Amino acid sequence: GAGVSQTPSNKVTEKGKYVELRCDPISGHTALYWYRQSLGQGPEFLIYFQGTGAADDSGLPNDRFFAVRPEGSVSTLKIQRTERGDSAMYLCASSSVAGGSTDTQYFGPGTRLTVL
Amino acid sequence: GNSVTQMEGPVTLSEEAFLTINCTYTATGYPSLFWYVQYPGEGLQLLLKATKADDKGSNKGFEATYRKETTSFHLEKGSVQVSDSAVYFCALSTNAGKSTFGDGTTLTVKP
Repeated sequence: GAGVSQTPSNKVTEKGKYVELRCDPISGHTALYWYRQSLGQGPEFLIYFQGTGAADDSGLPNDRFFAVRPEGSVSTLKIQRTERGDSAMYLCASSSVAGGSTDTQYFGPGTRLTVL
Repeated sequence: GNSVTQMEGPVTLSEEAFLTINCTYTATGYPSLFWYVQYPGEGLQLLLKATKADDKGSNKGFEATYRKETTSFHLEKGSVQVSDSAVYFCALSTNAGKSTFGDGTTLTVKP
């Protein structure tokens, strides 16, 4: 596709449930990032993939959060036992080079997660 | 750790006014600096960037200069338009591209 796509665009779930959020990066982009954005704040880094491996997962808040990218393209962010505090916009971004500091990251439209 | 502090909003200007949105940062190493914009109902998109000290990024009439001595990257535009109404985010990126964002500044331009 032309840009980064994320599905679903909105997800409403109940406390304690499991959710999966999907990101489809720009074709050929090797680096993929997940961010979380709460209302009125900037995006906060969660995890970065270079190819299939997680190069930096230091932003994942706890072990309920996990992400995979098995074939080096599509990535899935998985949240177990969701809590109301997990409600936020989840953003995915990709970049074409090897995750350097000068790279432009292209963002998807996000998935808005609401935990009731 | 790394951090970005940007001018709190909201900012309301009349069309053709001069815009400045302040941004300062704290970082280890030598970061690249970015301004992203989020128009109503749309995703984040890169507005401009600068990758080393004294570089000036520019796009769509917006400019920002990487000032290492003051650790700043202020966004400016000489004459804003109604279509510039959006949320603006300052960000920095260090090795491996992990980005740190400010909290955003909402700009409203009135005709």
